[in-house]
Amino acid sequence: AQSVAQPEDQVNVAEGNPLTVKCTYSVSGNPYLFWYVQYPNRGLQFLLKYITGDNLVKGSYGFEAEFNKSQTSFHLKKPSALVSDSALYFCAVRPLYSGAGSYQLTFGKGTKLSVIP
Amino acid sequence: EAGVAQSPRYKIIEKRQSVAFWCNPISGHATLYWYQQILGQGPKLLIQFQNNGVVDDSQLPKDRFSAERLKGVDSTLKIQPAKLEDSAVYLCASSLVLRLAGGYNEQFFGPGTRLTVL
Repeated sequence: AQSVAQPEDQVNVAEGNPLTVKCTYSVSGNPYLFWYVQYPNRGLQFLLKYITGDNLVKGSYGFEAEFNKSQTSFHLKKPSALVSDSALYFCAVRPLYSGAGSYQLTFGKGTKLSVIP
Repeated sequence: EAGVAQSPRYKIIEKRQSVAFWCNPISGHATLYWYQQILGQGPKLLIQFQNNGVVDDSQLPKDRFSAERLKGVDSTLKIQPAKLEDSAVYLCASSLVLRLAGGYNEQFFGPGTRLTVL
């Protein structure tokens, strides 16, 4: 069974500083990896995904994530944080299709990002 | 393009009562998902439809939860009877046709229904 770990419940960063939100995963075979963001009282919004190819993936709002297969990690990064980036961030994993199984998305428990002015 | 619509946005019921949630996916999206998000946790898939057929309901508590998508568009999720532990946000999502091999179609989420069971 696949799983996702987001080791930090909360990350605080000063506006303008770089930010990192950590994610590690466990899945059989190769993974599809995702980051979603959730603002208060709103649904999840897709930020970026890794399927194959370049290990550095660029997404919406200046976010990027780096896939590291040896460390089974997919950390979310942004060079310069904005106050408006404050939200709840979820990492998710799904295995590549191999002919059997449900292939549902499994989400981490989320990391609350607070960007301090 | 209109997003995924859900209603109601909030619902408060007492335990053992019944409740139903409604979802209207993005037009043209064949795949529809219902997730349960308990406070402090990530969303957990309850059921996944492709058109009006169930693809995966392995995590749906079938003794009390049911869902249908009769015409392959709108969907309803019902809980009967509700328990205290059902308090959560119920998220509906939709995507283009389900692709298992050769790619992935992004899921678009609705705003959710916050259920409180007293």
